[in-house]
Amino acid sequence: NAGVTQTPKFQVLKTGQSMTLQCAQDMNHEYMSWYRQDPGMGLRLIHYSVGAGITDQGEVPNGYNVSRSTTEDFPLRLLSAAPSQTSVYFCASSYGPGGTYEQYFGPGTRLTVT
Amino acid sequence: AQSVTQLGSHVSVSEGALVLLRCNYSSSVPPYLFWYVQYPNQGLQLLLKYTTGATLVKGINGFEAEFKKSETSFHLTKPSAHMSDAAEYFCAVSDFTQGGSEKLVFGKGTKLTVNP
Repeated sequence: NAGVTQTPKFQVLKTGQSMTLQCAQDMNHEYMSWYRQDPGMGLRLIHYSVGAGITDQGEVPNGYNVSRSTTEDFPLRLLSAAPSQTSVYFCASSYGPGGTYEQYFGPGTRLTVT
Repeated sequence: AQSVTQLGSHVSVSEGALVLLRCNYSSSVPPYLFWYVQYPNQGLQLLLKYTTGATLVKGINGFEAEFKKSETSFHLTKPSAHMSDAAEYFCAVSDFTQGGSEKLVFGKGTKLTVNP
């Protein structure tokens, strides 16, 4: 199993550009989440999904969109990038809710917005 | 809403010394508690978790944590540090989103340095 994969590993964007961060998992997990990690802030939940076709907002959803058309994929879209979105982004998946079940994390995408 | 406090953003120990990383959570209702570890340039992986039952929880790589309800604490320990333990450690507690789903709330992390 590849586990949770994320692409790209690194990305530099200019303010106002859009892009999609890709996330895929091959463990047939129903739950998937996106987090951002900033120095001294820990991880904060952006959006999550409890199954194909079902998504909801986390703590810091503004400026991000998600969709979940298949169990395997959970892309994160930045509509109009801002310097405040410079961060490391992690996708995670789990059998059940993240507050109960172990979450499996991808290797991360390091995004810089200039 | 739950919150997690990790005392000390950086902890430095000598190889072979005791590792103690502190974590306190806010709720009086016992939540589920987790420790995750992040090695440099990698994603997080689960070290151990507490749900119910025995309050001393053993995890991977010789780590363990004890749930103390009276102190709302879940400190992580390892009797003898190894160079390979150098990483950032995150304590996390279960909570609920506005949509009613369970989620994890993470502490800000403690970076462990192990000196030879």
